[in-house]
Amino acid sequence: AQSVTQLDSHVSVSEGTPVLLRCNYSSSYSPSLFWYVQHPNKGLQLLLKYTSAATLVKGINGFEAEFKKSETSFHLTKPSAHMSDAAEYFCVAFPTSGTYKYIFGTGTRLKVLA
Amino acid sequence: DGGITQSPKYLFRKEGQNVTLSCEQNLNHDAMYWYRQDPGQGLRLIYYSQIVNDFQKGDIAEGYSVSREKKESFPLTVTSAQKNPTAFYLCASSIAGISGYTIYFGEGSWLTVV
Repeated sequence: AQSVTQLDSHVSVSEGTPVLLRCNYSSSYSPSLFWYVQHPNKGLQLLLKYTSAATLVKGINGFEAEFKKSETSFHLTKPSAHMSDAAEYFCVAFPTSGTYKYIFGTGTRLKVLA
Repeated sequence: DGGITQSPKYLFRKEGQNVTLSCEQNLNHDAMYWYRQDPGQGLRLIYYSQIVNDFQKGDIAEGYSVSREKKESFPLTVTSAQKNPTAFYLCASSIAGISGYTIYFGEGSWLTVV
């Protein structure tokens, strides 16, 4: 079965330090991969998207992610955390297998310490 | 501006009542989705529709019903058969197809049983 695993349910970083949110996927096909951010009581907002054009994807607010097929990973990074980055982050896959269903990770809650 | 509008933001349901959550999009997307999010958890698919007058059950469709009479609209009814409806509900839309098109989300609706 196809799946998305976010390896950490909670991550805490100090303001100004790097952020790493980990995501692994399991798919028989090369999926499209996304990272979304959700602030409290809000919908999900797209941070970035991978669709095989380039393995390093740059997104909004200084975030980027690298697709590593050999490791089946799509980790999200940011060089320097800001207080406003505190939120829930979701890794999402769209398997190109005709199911028309997006597969969501369970989320990683990022806490940024002053 | 283009987007997805969900209403109401907060809704209270009495035991035995049916309630309907509205979702309207002006992105000209064929595909629309309803997800349920419980506090601290990921998203679970309730129903999705790839085209007008057609929809499919997701992973947790029991106790819910939908209609898709217009391309722009995909209302969700939470019936009295849904025994634990208190949750945050998210409507989403995307271009339909087997490619990984970006999925866009509304701001969500909170449903509480009183």
